[in-house]
Amino acid sequence: GAVVSQHPSWVICKSGTSVKIECRSLDFQATTMFWYRQFPKQSLMLMATSNEGSKATYEQGVEKDKFLINHASLTLSTLTVTSAHPEDSSFYICSASLGTGTSYEQYFGPGTRLTVT
Amino acid sequence: AQSVAQPEDQVNVAEGNPLTVKCTYSVSGNPYLFWYVQYPNRGLQFLLKYITGDNLVKGSYGFEAEFNKSQTSFHLKKPSALVSDSALYFCAVRDKDTGGFKTIFGAGTRLFVKA
Repeated sequence: GAVVSQHPSWVICKSGTSVKIECRSLDFQATTMFWYRQFPKQSLMLMATSNEGSKATYEQGVEKDKFLINHASLTLSTLTVTSAHPEDSSFYICSASLGTGTSYEQYFGPGTRLTVT
Repeated sequence: AQSVAQPEDQVNVAEGNPLTVKCTYSVSGNPYLFWYVQYPNRGLQFLLKYITGDNLVKGSYGFEAEFNKSQTSFHLKKPSALVSDSALYFCAVRDKDTGGFKTIFGAGTRLFVKA
């Protein structure tokens, strides 16, 4: 149980185009989902917290107009990287909490490798 | 502000020996503490967590961790390491009182278990 999927697993796009990454909780409903960015040999950097049916809460320094997050249902959140540039190339990871309380652990998707050329 | 430190980039142990991966934390309130493991080309997997109660927490794959409030530590341990334990380990903290869902991850410690 508690499986989170991401699609695509990797994507290459040209500079200036937009890319959408999907995150799905397969066997549970996720009120809250999280989007992270992981740089090589570095830890996960929280980008935003997404609650179903409401606007995402972005961390300081993360451009909300560049990284559009939509959490339209209890099983799906999407991250759209708009007008991508090479510096946006990274490993993007989503996760979801199993419950609504803050004591719950997170379940992570396998990640999406984005390369912007 | 919350923070997590994993002082070792890499830990090397021989198979069958005990292993320890260190973690210290800083929160203004009371902590929720977590350990996750990341295998190559796989997503992070939950290992164990400390919420309240017994300071010694047991988790998946024979791992355990001890919460030490005075030393603000939550070291991950296993009595006998396996080669298959080789992976990247992340310690994480949430501030129970003020942080909401925000989870801060340490930089990660790569564990190599040699046969």
